Amino acid sequence: EAGVVQSPRYKIIEKKQPVAFWCNPISGHNTLYWYLQNLGQGPELLIRYENEEAVDDSQLPKDRFSAERLKGVDSTLKIQPAELGDSAVYLCASSSGTVAKNIQYFGAGTRLSVL
Amino acid sequence: AQSVSQHNHHVILSEAASLELGCNYSYGGTVNLFWYVQYPGQHLQLLLKYFSGDPLVKGIKGFEAEFIKSKFSFNLRKPSVQWSDTAEYFCAVNVAAAGNKLTFGGGTRVLVKP
Repeated sequence: EAGVVQSPRYKIIEKKQPVAFWCNPISGHNTLYWYLQNLGQGPELLIRYENEEAVDDSQLPKDRFSAERLKGVDSTLKIQPAELGDSAVYLCASSSGTVAKNIQYFGAGTRLSVL
Repeated sequence: AQSVSQHNHHVILSEAASLELGCNYSYGGTVNLFWYVQYPGQHLQLLLKYFSGDPLVKGIKGFEAEFIKSKFSFNLRKPSVQWSDTAEYFCAVNVAAAGNKLTFGGGTRVLVKP
């Protein structure tokens, strides 16, 4: 069974440029999460989707960040414009449900460097 | 809101040594507890979990963790580490009543010297 797939693995951009990350969850997983992981820290939730609905986006900086999951399967996270402080690893995870006991499975992440 | 603290940021030990990583959380209600591991160049993967029942849980690769409710702790242990246990370890918590929203600790980077 394929795991959570993210692309690209690495991205280097200059500040003020836009950037997008893509995630394909495990087949059949209706809940999808985007996390931000700064260097030396644990992942922090940005947004959580149940199917195509964003049910928790309270931690998403909406002035520059946006996300979509149009068909309830794969998802895109966008930053426009990127700032130096956005350099981090962006993780995607999925689970088969939203109940607290559903295990979250993580992708390999996209490492963003903003110059 | 709940928070998770991992006391050690870096641990260096030799093969065959015993490992214990501390994890404390702040929330007074019912919680689910997890340890995730990230090997170099790989994705985060679940090591073990605690939902209810026996507070001593066993995971993959010889790891175990003990939930002590009175201490709000969920420490990870392995009696004898191997070089392949070199990785970063993350403790995570979610609150049963709040759905599947994980809060992670800051991680502990473990280096096992051969």
